[in-house]
Amino acid sequence: DTGVSQDPRHKITKRGQNVTFRCDPISEHNRLYWYRQTLGQGPEFLTYFQNEAQLEKSRLLSDRFSAERPKGSFSTLEIQRTEQGDSAMYLCASSSPDRDNEQFFGPGTRLTVL
Amino acid sequence: EDQVTQSPEALRLQEGESSSLNCSYTVSGLRGLFWYRQDPGKGPEFLFTLYSAGEEKEKERLKATLTKKESFLHITAPKPEDSATYLCAVTHHRGASGSRLTFGEGTQLTVNP
Repeated sequence: DTGVSQDPRHKITKRGQNVTFRCDPISEHNRLYWYRQTLGQGPEFLTYFQNEAQLEKSRLLSDRFSAERPKGSFSTLEIQRTEQGDSAMYLCASSSPDRDNEQFFGPGTRLTVL
Repeated sequence: EDQVTQSPEALRLQEGESSSLNCSYTVSGLRGLFWYRQDPGKGPEFLFTLYSAGEEKEKERLKATLTKKESFLHITAPKPEDSATYLCAVTHHRGASGSRLTFGEGTQLTVNP
């Protein structure tokens, strides 16, 4: 059973550096979502794709954030010029065309910005 | 804007002591209400989807119910392995944003042996 996978699992970076995370969804799932979660809070929506089209972006997604899903399969989330406030768990989820309300999450990427 | 409030923030139970977690929501055009379980350092694990008032779903010791304003997650005779944070989330019918999950802050459940 290949669930949603994310890489890396942990990333430590210095303020001002760029980072990129990867998400591989469940293979038959056409929708892919990115969320951010800070300690003690529920996940907050960032953006989502249907196939390769980015359909919605949250206002939380500043100009320093960009997400892509070039072939409708894996997705990348890049953060440029990281700030300490970007420290969080970045979660990816995917859903299938016939049950698109049910999103299945990956293990997350824990980002620490020093 | 959709809002989800969960209570209590934290709950400690003895093994076998049944209880309920609450999720109150404000959504214009509820599409679905979801319960997830999250263990420390891991992603949320899907538990249930509820679509309409009066609906109930069960899985092992967990039972989720839905009214027009809130949902309850009932835990019957819990075991220590049920210890986790339980998250509630909603989606709505309004356009492209309808697929995004809006989460509450979660209830951290601890079950002592």
